[in-house]
Amino acid sequence: GQQVMQIPQYQHVQEGEDFTTYCNSSTTLSNIQWYKQRPGGHPVFLIQLVKSGEVKKQKRLTFQFGEAKKNSSLHITATQTTDVGTYFCAGVYSGAGSYQLTFGKGTKLSVIP
Amino acid sequence: DAGITQSPRHKVTETGTPVTLRCHQTENHRYMYWYRQDPGHGLRLIHYSYGVKDTDKGEVSDGYSVSRSKTEDFLLTLESATSSQTSVYFCAIKAGAWGETQYFGPGTRLLVL
Repeated sequence: GQQVMQIPQYQHVQEGEDFTTYCNSSTTLSNIQWYKQRPGGHPVFLIQLVKSGEVKKQKRLTFQFGEAKKNSSLHITATQTTDVGTYFCAGVYSGAGSYQLTFGKGTKLSVIP
Repeated sequence: DAGITQSPRHKVTETGTPVTLRCHQTENHRYMYWYRQDPGHGLRLIHYSYGVKDTDKGEVSDGYSVSRSKTEDFLLTLESATSSQTSVYFCAIKAGAWGETQYFGPGTRLLVL
């Protein structure tokens, strides 16, 4: 089946350092979404990327979608303790599965104050 | 939070007993989903529904059944719970500007002894 690989699985950073998580699919995606899950919480939608090469920013968060629409990244500049949580990418494939999300396994971010 | 509630929020049960989890939404969304979340596996789709009495299997459907007799309610049943079904279960609906974003309920923590 279709899979979205996400790395790294864990990341520990000092507060103020940058953080990046990467997602990769072996086949072309229709779009990719990013979710954040705080400890003990539920996944919360952050953003959706649809166009090839698309870059979107939300304050200190920068999201990119690759030119081939097979990979994506989330970069956080100058992490804060409020950034703690697990970040998931979720891919949507064209065709019959377009109503489903295929989630990466997530990157758990710890921020050391 | 897209008006999604889950009940119960926590449950402890014994192996071999039936368990039913309920997801309730208030905004008349067509698509509803059940996921399980386990450490190291991310979010995995169990079953989904695309309308009243219309359901289909996801990636990890063995041991689970679902029913949707009303638009607002999506039930997940473990006919005979096993310890491997100890997990956190999330319900989600599909909504958003492009109709592909998913919004999650608060989750149900299930422990099967």
